[in-house]
Amino acid sequence: DIQMTQSPSSLSASVGDRVTITCRASQSISSYLNWYQQKPGKAPKLLIYAASSLQSGVPSRFSGSGSGTDFTLTISSLQPEDFATYYCQQSYSTLYSFGQGTKLEIK
Amino acid sequence: EVQLVESGGGLVQPGGSLRLSCAASGFTFSSYAMSWVRQAPGKGLEWVSAISGSGGSTYYADSVKGRFTISRDNSKNTLYLQMNSLRAEDTAVYYCAKEGYISGYYMDVWGKGTTVTVSS
Repeated sequence: DIQMTQSPSSLSASVGDRVTITCRASQSISSYLNWYQQKPGKAPKLLIYAASSLQSGVPSRFSGSGSGTDFTLTISSLQPEDFATYYCQQSYSTLYSFGQGTKLEIK
Repeated sequence: EVQLVESGGGLVQPGGSLRLSCAASGFTFSSYAMSWVRQAPGKGLEWVSAISGSGGSTYYADSVKGRFTISRDNSKNTLYLQMNSLRAEDTAVYYCAKEGYISGYYMDVWGKGTTVTVSS
């Protein structure tokens, strides 16, 4: 099975900050990597698919990069509505797996 | 509007069974693979199972293999998850998700979830 590890597990930042979240796969997954945002009590929302493609309707301040085993999600200028938990997910294997999540909190 | 609505959650005793349903609307259901994802209280997301658009291929996480069965009825635009031999650790919110495909699969539409509690 492919293990996904995110870092950091939590992060405090201020409105306007640039933030980067990292996701590492236990083996190469090419670009089969997706990013989701989840707010408390809500379903996850797709942000980025195929490592770097922005889902329709998602603000351009979100971007993704990487391939192989190392990936990043960057928020260029944090907005109040961005404080949430972020998950990466691999679809290289038919047995999908998620990272443990990164909770982004207001400093 | 593309929409997924889960139902069938509830309180069940350990060892019991439950069947979850996910009613889909607003898209050609049979053309898309579907997944179930769960989230235990205070924990992260865990992929549970997936099924191809035709229903001919199914996939399961090791944690549920042999106990859970995913299926779909394309004539009713409905996805199912039959859960048997339930354990306390199966307690979670269960989400169904539609899978899109561009250069890889991703879950682009999610339901609001249904809560399953396994307890005596």
